[in-house]
Amino acid sequence: QTVVTQEPSLTVSPGGTVTLTCASSTGAVTSGYYPNWFQQKPGQAPRALIYSTSNKHSWTPARFSGSLLGGKAALTLSGVQPEDEAEYYCLLYYGGAPVFGGGTKLTVL
Amino acid sequence: EVQLVESGGGLVQPGRSLRLSCAASGFTFDDYAMHWVRQAPGKGLEWVSGISWNSGSIGYADSVKGRFTISRDNAKNSLYLQMNSLRAEDTALYYCAKDMSGDYVEEGPDFDYWGQGTLVTVSS
Repeated sequence: QTVVTQEPSLTVSPGGTVTLTCASSTGAVTSGYYPNWFQQKPGQAPRALIYSTSNKHSWTPARFSGSLLGGKAALTLSGVQPEDEAEYYCLLYYGGAPVFGGGTKLTVL
Repeated sequence: EVQLVESGGGLVQPGRSLRLSCAASGFTFDDYAMHWVRQAPGKGLEWVSGISWNSGSIGYADSVKGRFTISRDNAKNSLYLQMNSLRAEDTALYYCAKDMSGDYVEEGPDFDYWGQGTLVTVSS
């Protein structure tokens, strides 16, 4: 069974920079896994942030960026704002079946 | 404005069936693939099923394969999920989500818009 692994939790100071990663149990993540990133705040539906590794939606703040880093998909937040405190999920594609990671709870403190 | 509105959730006994619907508006529904994603209480997201624009490509998570059936009616701008043989572990908030392409199997899944979800509770 394919497992997508994210850091369970991370803490960052306001104005700081943090990188969340997304690893695949099958090996290195490439663009062919079509990494997507989502933000979810308590009581809200998920909101799409990044698609196909590094593409932003029209509503995605400029401080969010997606990339591949050390064999993983990565989401970097630069100049973190208090409103960025949320759960973040990645999604990888395995030829017909997308799989979500377990999520990273980001605390802004 | 893109809108996805799920309905059909509720309390159902184990072994029974339920049909979820997702009404879409604000975009050309028959141009895009669609997905169902669920979230058990206090847990993470789980992709459940996806369907291409013309229903030519369909996929399911192993956890629901053989029990759930996804379908769409492009004339009614609607997506459906028929859930049979429901189990307690199917209890979740079910979201409808739009893909940015017509066939996520061929082109890879890229999600954009999500609905607010409909809650399914499986309990005796």
